[in-house]
Amino acid sequence: QQPVQSPQAVILREGEDAVINCSSSKALYSVHWYRQKHGEAPVFLMILLKGGEQKGHDKISASFNEKKQQSSLYLTASQLSYSGTYFCGTEVPGNTGKLIFGQGTTLQVKP
Amino acid sequence: KAGVTQTPRYLIKTRGQQVTLSCSPISGHRSVSWYQQTPGQGLQFLFEYFSETQRNKGNFPGRFSGRQFSNSRSEMNVSTLELGDSALYLCASRSRQGVGYTFGSGTRLTVV
Repeated sequence: QQPVQSPQAVILREGEDAVINCSSSKALYSVHWYRQKHGEAPVFLMILLKGGEQKGHDKISASFNEKKQQSSLYLTASQLSYSGTYFCGTEVPGNTGKLIFGQGTTLQVKP
Repeated sequence: KAGVTQTPRYLIKTRGQQVTLSCSPISGHRSVSWYQQTPGQGLQFLFEYFSETQRNKGNFPGRFSGRQFSNSRSEMNVSTLELGDSALYLCASRSRQGVGYTFGSGTRLTVV
């Protein structure tokens, strides 16, 4: 039931791009993306509700392929502040409110 | 606008004791969820409350329980504490279905 994230860890230089994938074995109602920095609470980035929907915020965007039950998070021209652990969370139809998180992807951006 | 407030921030308890953690959601948020976070298991869903009703429950033993009050504040209780209950317990709230959650800073529970 837990979505699977890949890769588990990424190391980038400032200005490089990264993609984090989230895959579920179940049909999805929504996909959430959060970022957690060490010692802090997870922070909401975006939610995707419709198949094929793409949302963006600054240089961070995401897509949702409802048919494949997959979502991808795109980080463009990464900044030092992007470092942290990224979690996807999924809700299934008929059971919204039960947000199940993937195992997380640790992203480190170096100068 | 005040965020999600969790108290206490840190707790040290002895095996066999019980503990109650508190969460005050953002004003107007009626959905409150609880998560356990550990290095080995990641973010594990405990339960979700909406308008004082538990709507969803994760795969945790009955020692873990919770409730929500009419003002949307929520508490979770863990009885007969075990060493493995040591974790960061996070509370999150949202106003409605279809939007993201805001997390509190968590309560760090250490069982000795």
